[in-house]
Amino acid sequence: AQSVTQPDIHITVSEGASLELRCNYSYGATPYLFWYVQSPGQGLQLLLKYFSGDTLVQGIKGFEAEFKRSQSSFNLRKPSVHWSDAAEYFCAVGLYGGSQGNLIFGKGTKLSVKP
Amino acid sequence: DSGVTQTPKHLITATGQRVTLRCSPRSGDLSVYWYQQSLDQGLQFLIQYYNGEERAKGNILERFSAQQFPDLHSELNLSSLELGDSALYFCASSVLAGALNEQFFGPGTRLTVL
Repeated sequence: AQSVTQPDIHITVSEGASLELRCNYSYGATPYLFWYVQSPGQGLQLLLKYFSGDTLVQGIKGFEAEFKRSQSSFNLRKPSVHWSDAAEYFCAVGLYGGSQGNLIFGKGTKLSVKP
Repeated sequence: DSGVTQTPKHLITATGQRVTLRCSPRSGDLSVYWYQQSLDQGLQFLIQYYNGEERAKGNILERFSAQQFPDLHSELNLSSLELGDSALYFCASSVLAGALNEQFFGPGTRLTVL
C-alpha cells in the first residue's frame, strides 16, 4: 500500500536560515507528489506539485522541491526562511493514472521559526 | 480564501448523536473530497464524489456517510458519535477527478464529541 513518511515531527530554524523538510514515499510506480502548508486554524494550501519532467519544481512563497526516484524522496527546501513560514507542512502522494483523486498524506512536520 | 466553504466552523455534541457537515465546492469544481484530521491518525482520506457519484472510498467508518447533491454541494453525515470521532474535517474540491487536478481545501469543521 502507498504510504508517506515525514521523519521530522518538529523542526526549528532561525529566520534567514535555510530549510529542508524530508519526505519519503512508498509506491509501486512514480506517484504524483505534493507539498501542502497548513497555517494555524486554516485549511491546507498547495505549495507545489510534481507530476513528471524536471525533477526540481518551484512553488509558491519561494519553496522548491526535488524528486529523487532512487531515494523515493521529495524533499522541500527554502533558501531563507521568514517568520511567516511557521506552519505545518504536509507531503502527499496521489494515485498515478487513475480517475480517483484521493491523496495520501504524511503525518506532517511542524516548522517553528526563531527570530 | 480557497473558494471552498464549510459549515459549521465548530460543532460540539455528545456521544451517540448524529451530525451533518456541509461543503460547498469552488464554482465549477465537480469533485469533492472529505478528509479527517486527528492527532493520532493525521490527515486521512474518507471519500470522494465526482458529479454526484461516489468515486473513491478511504478509511470511512460505516457510521459515516456522504453524498453530493445536484448543485454539487456535499454533506458528510456522522452518526452514533464516539469520543474518537473528535477531529477536524476538511472538504476539498477540484475541477475534475484524478490526482492531476489540484485540490482546494476548505477551512474545516472542528467536531468535538463530549
